[in-house]
Amino acid sequence: DGGITQSPKYLFRKEGQNVTLSCEQNLNHDAMYWYRQDPGQGLRLIYYSQIVNDFQKGDIAEGYSVSREKKESFPLTVTSAQKNPTAFYLCASSIGSESNQPQHFGDGTRLSIL
Amino acid sequence: QQPVQSPQAVILREGEDAVINCSSSKALYSVHWYRQKHGEAPVFLMILLKGGEQKGHEKISASFNEKKQQSSLYLTASQLSYSGTYFCGTEINDYKLSFGAGTTVTVRA
Repeated sequence: DGGITQSPKYLFRKEGQNVTLSCEQNLNHDAMYWYRQDPGQGLRLIYYSQIVNDFQKGDIAEGYSVSREKKESFPLTVTSAQKNPTAFYLCASSIGSESNQPQHFGDGTRLSIL
Repeated sequence: QQPVQSPQAVILREGEDAVINCSSSKALYSVHWYRQKHGEAPVFLMILLKGGEQKGHEKISASFNEKKQQSSLYLTASQLSYSGTYFCGTEINDYKLSFGAGTTVTVRA
């Protein structure tokens, strides 16, 4: 079955710690995205990648970092610089980044502070 | 750049209709609609591109008015399965989607 796999489902971070959220897709999609979802605020774009070895900042990139070394993988690191990391994180992918391409989402990772 | 959705929430009885609006302050290239059930991933419903074409997905359809920079999602003869939060995502020709805050739809028997 093709799809997007995010892991872990739940993650806890200690103060001053960096944590990495995994996102893997076997849909052969070129474009991948990371969103943050807070209650009542919808989805906000953190980073996106249109092709391997290339990525761009979204609207709320501060305190986050990404890499895109392989087409199928787009991990997100939440650094200690992100002072309010508690949120639901969603990874998505699309065939390309053109307007007529739908985004397919993973099941998300819920990150909390210990 | 975040689009504004209205209403924030709506409660329906099975079989009733509803309209969800999505408005932008900037010219739009496309509008995407997604539905998310509690604790789950958003699921794609449809995309509308410049041109005002109306799309449909079962008894859910949508329109896109470029001049008004607005899209509307129509839930017709609602079913229990239509419950969830509906998000519009708008693109202003830079390959990024900006999502609205969502409209929570509750359909009751």
